[in-house]
Amino acid sequence: SQQGEEDPQALSIQEGENATMNCSYKTSINNLQWYRQNSGRGLVHLILIRSNEREKHSGRLRVTLDTSKKSSSLLITASRAADTASYFCATAQGAQKLVFGQGTRLTINP
Amino acid sequence: DAGITQSPRHKVTETGTPVTLRCHQTENHRYMYWYRQDPGHGLRLIHYSYGVKDTDKGEVSDGYSVSRSKTEDFLLTLESATSSQTSVYFCAISESNTRTGSYEQYFGPGTRLTVT
Repeated sequence: SQQGEEDPQALSIQEGENATMNCSYKTSINNLQWYRQNSGRGLVHLILIRSNEREKHSGRLRVTLDTSKKSSSLLITASRAADTASYFCATAQGAQKLVFGQGTRLTINP
Repeated sequence: DAGITQSPRHKVTETGTPVTLRCHQTENHRYMYWYRQDPGHGLRLIHYSYGVKDTDKGEVSDGYSVSRSKTEDFLLTLESATSSQTSVYFCAISESNTRTGSYEQYFGPGTRLTVT
């Protein structure tokens, strides 16, 4: 069964706008990771947030984690056409295994 | 995709035939994983390896076997392919991040398998 569930399943915005994707999970985690997948390619690791962290930044990415609500959000600011991709959250319960959600398909319109 | 290759990249096979997919890494990472990706299901773990000859089952291991005889290669075998195994298969590798102590995964380019 999937641990993470992303919301929304699909998101379409105009270039320059901010995009927010949410992830909910069910059990305790060690960390939560976000990955991007361009069409026809493998996943690429974006950012990791540990269970004792509340917010993390990396360039135009901002991730928040609320362990009390078992949820995380990924914010992409000032979106670009190149950000068009599917985004997945993945939760780590043990050290080496990840459980992926079904992903959010993000489309950036010029 | 750097450091991880998968072969073949595309394969069409008939029901009942055996199929072996290969994952090769040049990063000397300890952990290797096989996932399948299907619409509506995201990525699901099939098997993973935590060292040479050390493997364990994932969420959807039925109908699949794996082998790892050396650090750089992780093979996924479908003993008798079925149409339900039509999917895109991804290999991933990981190693402990010395800064975070966590295991980020790095993915290969994928193999598209069609079972007719």
